[in-house]
Amino acid sequence: DSGVTQTPKHLITATGQRVTLRCSPRSGDLSVYWYQQSLDQGLQFLIQYYNGEERAKGNILERFSAQQFPDLHSELNLSSLELGDSALYFCASSPQGALATDTQYFGPGTRLTVL
Amino acid sequence: GDSVTQMEGPVTLSEEAFLTINCTYTATGYPSLFWYVQYPGEGLQLLLKATKADDKGSNKGFEATYRKETTSFHLEKGSVQVSDSAVYFCALRSPGANSKLTFGKGITLSVRP
Repeated sequence: DSGVTQTPKHLITATGQRVTLRCSPRSGDLSVYWYQQSLDQGLQFLIQYYNGEERAKGNILERFSAQQFPDLHSELNLSSLELGDSALYFCASSPQGALATDTQYFGPGTRLTVL
Repeated sequence: GDSVTQMEGPVTLSEEAFLTINCTYTATGYPSLFWYVQYPGEGLQLLLKATKADDKGSNKGFEATYRKETTSFHLEKGSVQVSDSAVYFCALRSPGANSKLTFGKGITLSVRP
């Protein structure tokens, strides 16, 4: 158990819908990262938050957004869903934000299926 | 930009066989290097890491040495077990504000009794 929790574990929805994925980081970790894992793209970095502020952006679509709340939990919002958004979405956390030596600890993931 | 290249898979071995999974990288500066493992139906777990050249990371019988001269971080284990069956990802993290993890494609290891 990494100490990072994600809910829900599975999500099935229809095209055009909007969903919210939730992540709680390890106690004391200030940074939260979101990654998407799909068969064709592999593991791709989406976005990072550090202590409530956006720190870095990766290959995140404009239909997707995220935020980190004062209690440090984070939510990833996916809207106007398409079939190609079906994937496993991971959240990770680390103590700081910019240290290359920092280890990122991953949650169990949310499997999103868009029908 | 940063990139990680892993050998093509899948790999199937018999129990107690020797394992090597190749990983090479391209990065600016001095990245930290990681191996993550994903067991069936689970999230990624950190297996080991190395943060500077010639460092050796080790855990659960797995080892990898950070080789700057060959830009490699190959994973090895002397005697694999059925329980090692999983997907293995090599990753790097460069220093800086955008310190995301860049992953290789992953390789599936199956160990048969």
